[in-house]
Amino acid sequence: GQQVMQIPQYQHVQEGEDFTTYCNSSTTLSNIQWYKQRPGGHPVFLIQLVKSGEVKKQKRLTFQFGEAKKNSSLHITATQTTDVGTYFCSTSGTYKYIFGTGTRLKVLA
Amino acid sequence: NAGVTQTPKFQVLKTGQSMTLQCAQDMNHEYMSWYRQDPGMGLRLIHYSVGAGITDQGEVPNGYNVSRSTTEDFPLRLLSAAPSQTSVYFCASSVGTGEGLNEQFFGPGTRLTVL
Repeated sequence: GQQVMQIPQYQHVQEGEDFTTYCNSSTTLSNIQWYKQRPGGHPVFLIQLVKSGEVKKQKRLTFQFGEAKKNSSLHITATQTTDVGTYFCSTSGTYKYIFGTGTRLKVLA
Repeated sequence: NAGVTQTPKFQVLKTGQSMTLQCAQDMNHEYMSWYRQDPGMGLRLIHYSVGAGITDQGEVPNGYNVSRSTTEDFPLRLLSAAPSQTSVYFCASSVGTGEGLNEQFFGPGTRLTVL
């Protein structure tokens, strides 16, 4: 079945440094969604990308969907302690969502 | 709107016991789903439903049953709890079905320990 691989598994950064997580698939994706889960919390939707090469920004967060629609990235500029958590990518096929294993971000003040 | 609610928040079971995790949403979403989250394994789909009376299996359905008698409720039943079912369980809902799936709204989760 369809799978999405997410790297890195963990990332520790100093506050103010940038952070990027990548989501890769061997097959073409119809869409990609990104979620954030704070420690002890539940996943919260951030954004959905559907078009080849699409780029969307939310303040310090930049999301990209690859030209071949097989990969995506989430980039955070100048991380803050509030960015701590696990970031998941997800894609949906017919009736089912598939999640990557997540990247856990720790920000050192 | 309360969004997606789950009860209980915490539960401890003994091996062999059965229980039902409750999930409800007040957004009139057709699609609802159950996931389990284990360390390093992301979210794995247990069962899902595309509307009242319609359910299907996800990636890890063994040991779990679901039903969907109303649009609002989607309970998850553990038939005979096993230590391997120790996990955090999330219920989610979304607008759309089939190819038109959209963002999912997650409940706060149930933290289950099976001894």
